[in-house]
Amino acid sequence: EAQVTQNPRYLITVTGKKLTVTCSQNMNHEYMSWYRQDPGLGLRQIYYSMNVEVTDKGDVPEGYKVSRKEKRNFPLILESPSPNQTSLYFCASRGAHGYTFGSGTRLTVV
Amino acid sequence: QKEVEQNSGPLSVPEGAIASLNCTYSDRGSQSFFWYRQYSGKSPELIMFIYSNGDKEDGRFTAQLNKASQYVSLLIRDSQPSDSATYLCAVITYDMRFGAGTRLTVKP
Repeated sequence: EAQVTQNPRYLITVTGKKLTVTCSQNMNHEYMSWYRQDPGLGLRQIYYSMNVEVTDKGDVPEGYKVSRKEKRNFPLILESPSPNQTSLYFCASRGAHGYTFGSGTRLTVV
Repeated sequence: QKEVEQNSGPLSVPEGAIASLNCTYSDRGSQSFFWYRQYSGKSPELIMFIYSNGDKEDGRFTAQLNKASQYVSLLIRDSQPSDSATYLCAVITYDMRFGAGTRLTVKP
């Protein structure tokens, strides 16, 4: 089954404690992206990657890092999380007819 | 001006009615247009995509595109309570841009 697997689904952490959200796709897509979704603001792109070792900033990259060492994996790294990064995060992989989204990670930073 | 604009709603229709969702976009170079459905707390799922002017039908869903007016719409016929969700319009220019979504409620 074609899918984007994102983990964890839920995460509560404390300010400043580094965390990684994993994302993996099995569709051999070159393009992957991370979004955050906040009430009233819709989906905002954090980072995207057009291929292995090619990443670029989206609209809201501050406080986030990504890497793309393999085509299938695109982890999101928060080096020093802050409460304003509390949000719902989605990884997505883009094929010929749009994005396939992961199931989401609800992150709470206290 | 936002790149992709949608009426945030909520839009409320009775069961069995036609729900009409609208979206405008700012970039005339946009080539591909998508509608996603998102249930609360869940990930967006693709309903339809449309690339050419005109209508595209898939079951109870019809997407309509008018590039001259920079307008794309989604019609849901015979609306069901299970259609209650937020509908996201998305447009690809150099990247995919999403509208903020329209919340639809279908009342039994």
